[in-house]
Amino acid sequence: KAGVTQTPRYLIKTRGQQVTLSCSPISGHRSVSWYQQTPGQGLQFLFEYFSETQRNKGNFPGRFSGRQFSNSRSEMNVSTLELGDSALYLCASSLRDPRTDTQYFGPGTRLTVL
Amino acid sequence: DAKTTQPPSMDCAEGRAANLPCNHSTISGNEYVYWYRQIHSQGPQYIIHGLKNNETNEMASLIITEDRKSSTLILPHATLRDTAVYYCIVRVPDNDMRFGAGTRLTVKP
Repeated sequence: KAGVTQTPRYLIKTRGQQVTLSCSPISGHRSVSWYQQTPGQGLQFLFEYFSETQRNKGNFPGRFSGRQFSNSRSEMNVSTLELGDSALYLCASSLRDPRTDTQYFGPGTRLTVL
Repeated sequence: DAKTTQPPSMDCAEGRAANLPCNHSTISGNEYVYWYRQIHSQGPQYIIHGLKNNETNEMASLIITEDRKSSTLILPHATLRDTAVYYCIVRVPDNDMRFGAGTRLTVKP
C-alpha cells in the first residue's frame, strides 16, 4: 500500500506571496492532519480534516487554511507569506479508529520564504 | 503544551539495547502512549503505542509502568540507522498529537 505523499517536496516563495501544498493520504484513510516544523518551535499541529470537515485546529493565524476533497486528498494554503513561515510542512493520515488512531506521516514539503 | 518529559539526548553503542525513558505523570485513564521517531528532516515514523500493557512489535518494545506515569521504549539491538529524534506522546486517540522536543538518540559504532 502506498504511503502518504506530499507535493511539492521543495518550494521557494517570496514574502507576501501565497502557497498551496498538497497531501494524498494512504488509501482508505479519511483523516488528514497538518503540522509545521521549525527549528525554534518544533513540530506544531496546524489542523485536521476528516470527511471534508475541519475537526481540530491548532493555534495558528487565519493565514493558514486548509481543505479536504471527497477523495480525502487535502490541501493547505498559506497566504501573505512571512519569513517565519519557512518550515517543513508535514501531513499525516489515519483511519480515525477511535481506539488507537495511528497517524502516518508523509515526507513533508520544505518551504523557504525569501 | 506537550504532557511528556524526555531527556534531550542519549547515546547508545551499536548492537546494544537503547532504552528511552518518558515521564507522563499527568496521563489520563483514556490516553494512550505513542512513540514516533524522526530521522533528519524526514516525516516522523510511527514506532509503537500502548495503553497500559507492555507492547512489542518488529521495531521495538514499550514498557509502561503499572501506575502509567512513565514508560520506556526499548530498541533491542540498536543500529546506526536508529539514530534519530524519538518522540513520546500521550493522547486520546480522537485528539490531535502534541509533540515535545523529544530525545535525540545517537547510536555510536
